Amino acid sequence: AQRVTQPEKLLSVFKGAPVELKCNYSYSGSPELFWYVQYSRQRLQLLLRHISRESIKGFTADLNKGETSFHLKKPFAQEEDSAMYYCALLYGGSQGNLIFGKGTKLSVKP
Amino acid sequence: DTAVSQTPKYLVTQMGNDKSIKCEQNLGHDTMYWYKQDSKKFLKIMFSYNNKELIINETVPNRFSPKSPDKAHLNLHINSLELGDSAVYFCASSQVQGRWEQYFGPGTRLTVT
Repeated sequence: AQRVTQPEKLLSVFKGAPVELKCNYSYSGSPELFWYVQYSRQRLQLLLRHISRESIKGFTADLNKGETSFHLKKPFAQEEDSAMYYCALLYGGSQGNLIFGKGTKLSVKP
Repeated sequence: DTAVSQTPKYLVTQMGNDKSIKCEQNLGHDTMYWYKQDSKKFLKIMFSYNNKELIINETVPNRFSPKSPDKAHLNLHINSLELGDSAVYFCASSQVQGRWEQYFGPGTRLTVT
């Protein structure tokens, strides 16, 4: 069965430090993976998807099929990056849906 | 200009009551969803609707029923509320079923006492 695992509930770093939010997945098909972010008092929104290979707000994520991982990285964390981050997997093909990991709360301290 | 809106924002009610949460999207999307986020921030899909048809019905109690009067609305009805129903409920929409870019509403915090 498909599954998304985010092993860290909370990640606390200092401003300017590198950040890596871990995400592992389990899926028998061809995975499509995404990162969603929820800032305090704001709605959940899409941050980035692996297909586009783009960098949003300095964040990047590379799909590693060998390790079944899709870790989110940023070289220098900013205080405004503090938020809840969800890794998500699109499964089920054209009639599919998103399954979310349990989320990691990132706290960036000054 | 709000893309996906939900009402009410907060809902406090007693066990056994029946309540509804409304959701509207003005994006012209074909598919709408309901998610439940529990106290541990775990986000899980409950339902999705595409062209007024229920596409996915996860293993949620049948006390929960989605109702879509038209493509722009997907309301969530909950009967005989229980303490465990306390959570934040998010509505979302996407252009078509299976699309990864979902637009979320602000959430409705339901508290059952």
